[in-house]
Amino acid sequence: QQQVKQSPQSLIVQKGGISIINCAYENTAFDYFPWYQQFPGKGPALLIAIRPDVSEKKEGRFTISFNKSAKQFSLHIMDSQPGDSATYFCAASLSTGFQKLVFGTGTRLLVSP
Amino acid sequence: DAMVIQNPRYQVTQFGKPVTLSCSQTLNHNVMYWYQQKSSQAPKLLFHYYDKDFNNEADTPDNFQSRRPNTSFCFLDIRSPGLGDAAMYLCATSRDRGTGYEQYFGPGTRLTVT
Repeated sequence: QQQVKQSPQSLIVQKGGISIINCAYENTAFDYFPWYQQFPGKGPALLIAIRPDVSEKKEGRFTISFNKSAKQFSLHIMDSQPGDSATYFCAASLSTGFQKLVFGTGTRLLVSP
Repeated sequence: DAMVIQNPRYQVTQFGKPVTLSCSQTLNHNVMYWYQQKSSQAPKLLFHYYDKDFNNEADTPDNFQSRRPNTSFCFLDIRSPGLGDAAMYLCATSRDRGTGYEQYFGPGTRLTVT
C-alpha cells in the first residue's frame, strides 16, 4: 500500500516531442505528489508538485495530470529538449504524521537531438 | 547561494572500515534527511532529524548511525561497511516536516566499498 509504481523504466523521445511518465498508487491517504528531476551525479531536485484537489497543474513545459478516482498521476513534458534528459522520479506522501516521501522507481528519459 | 553541501563527493573505503559522510546546509532548515540510492533505484530514506530529534526508519540497519551536532551539520556513520552498502548517499533538508515542504537535496556522496 505504500508503493508508488512508475512507468516506463526508460523513454526515448525526439526533440520537440512529448514525454509522458506515469505513476500509480494504492494508498488513498496520499495527498501530496511531487516530481523530482535528477541529472547524473546530482541530487534530485523538485520539478513540480500537485495535491489531489486539482486535476492538472502546469509550469512552463511541465504538466502534472492527476486522476484521483484511478489513483494515477502523470508528468507530461511538452516540446522536450535534450537538456531534459535526466531521471524523473514521482513520489507521494501522507498528510498525517511525518510526511515521508515514497518514491517511484524512476524513469530515465533521453531526448534525442 | 543557500545550499546543501556534501563531503566528500566520492569516498572509497575498505570492507569493515568505518566511514563518515558529512552534510552541511546554509538554508537553516529544521529537518535533515539521509537517503541511500543504489544504481538505477529510487532514493531510500534511512533516517531524519527534526531539529535534534532523531527518527530512524524501521528497516535501516544498525550499521548506519547519524549525528547532528548543530542545525547546519549532519553526519552519516557506517560502522562496518559491507559490499552491499556501496551506493550514492544523499542528504536533504526541508524547512519543516509538513506536507508540501520541499526537500532540497545535496549532490550526494558516492561510496565505494572494496
